Amino acid sequence: SQQGEEDPQALSIQEGENATMNCSYKTSINNLQWYRQNSGRGLVHLILIRSNEREKHSGRLRVTLDTSKKSSSLLITASRAADTASYFCATDAGTNAGKSTFGDGTTLTVKP
Amino acid sequence: EAQVTQNPRYLITVTGKKLTVTCSQNMNHEYMSWYRQDPGLGLRQIYYSMNVEVTDKGDVPEGYKVSRKEKRNFPLILESPSPNQTSLYFCASSWAGEGYGYTFGSGTRLTVV
Repeated sequence: SQQGEEDPQALSIQEGENATMNCSYKTSINNLQWYRQNSGRGLVHLILIRSNEREKHSGRLRVTLDTSKKSSSLLITASRAADTASYFCATDAGTNAGKSTFGDGTTLTVKP
Repeated sequence: EAQVTQNPRYLITVTGKKLTVTCSQNMNHEYMSWYRQDPGLGLRQIYYSMNVEVTDKGDVPEGYKVSRKEKRNFPLILESPSPNQTSLYFCASSWAGEGYGYTFGSGTRLTVV
C-alpha cells in the first residue's frame, strides 16, 4: 500500500471556504511534500516541509506536520474555483535517498 | 523556460512492440524519476536515477528499463509492452539532496492493445 494516504478522497466546498486535507504515512521521513494536479496534467510542487518543522506557510497554503502521529495536513484558505484539482502528498523514504511515495490524492472541487 | 519535456504525449501501441518514452530536463538536475498513475492507485515510482549512470528500482519496475547516459535525459523503455502497462506516465526531476521539490513533465498517456 502507499506510504502516503490522503483523507478525504474527495472534498467539495464553496468558493471562499477553507479546505483541509490530511495525509498519513507509515515510516520515518526526511520531508513531506504537497503537489497539485489539474485533470490529467503534470503535478505541480506546492510546498515542502522538513521533518524538523511543524508548520509552514506559503500564500494561502498552510501545512502542518506531526511526526509523532506520522501525519500532515494541507489547509487552503479562502478557496477559489481555480483551486479545483487533485492534491497529493509525497514522502521520501528516509534513509533510502531517491525513493519517493505518493498518496492516492484528495480531489477538491470548489464551487463558484 | 525551466521544464521537463516528455514525448510523446499520447501513444497507442500493440502488445510486444518495443517502445521508448523520452524525458529531458533543462535544469541540470541530478535526480530524475519515472512514475505511472492509475485510477485508485495514485502515483507509483517505476525507476529513479540519482545521477549519470546511476539508476535504481522504484516500487513497480517490472517490465520497464531505463538508462541515464547523460544528465538531461532519462528515457523509459518498454521492451515488450503488455496491456497492464496501459497508464499515464510522468517523468520528474529535482536537485539532489534533501529538501527539493520535483518538477514534473506533462505526462504520456500510453495505451497498449
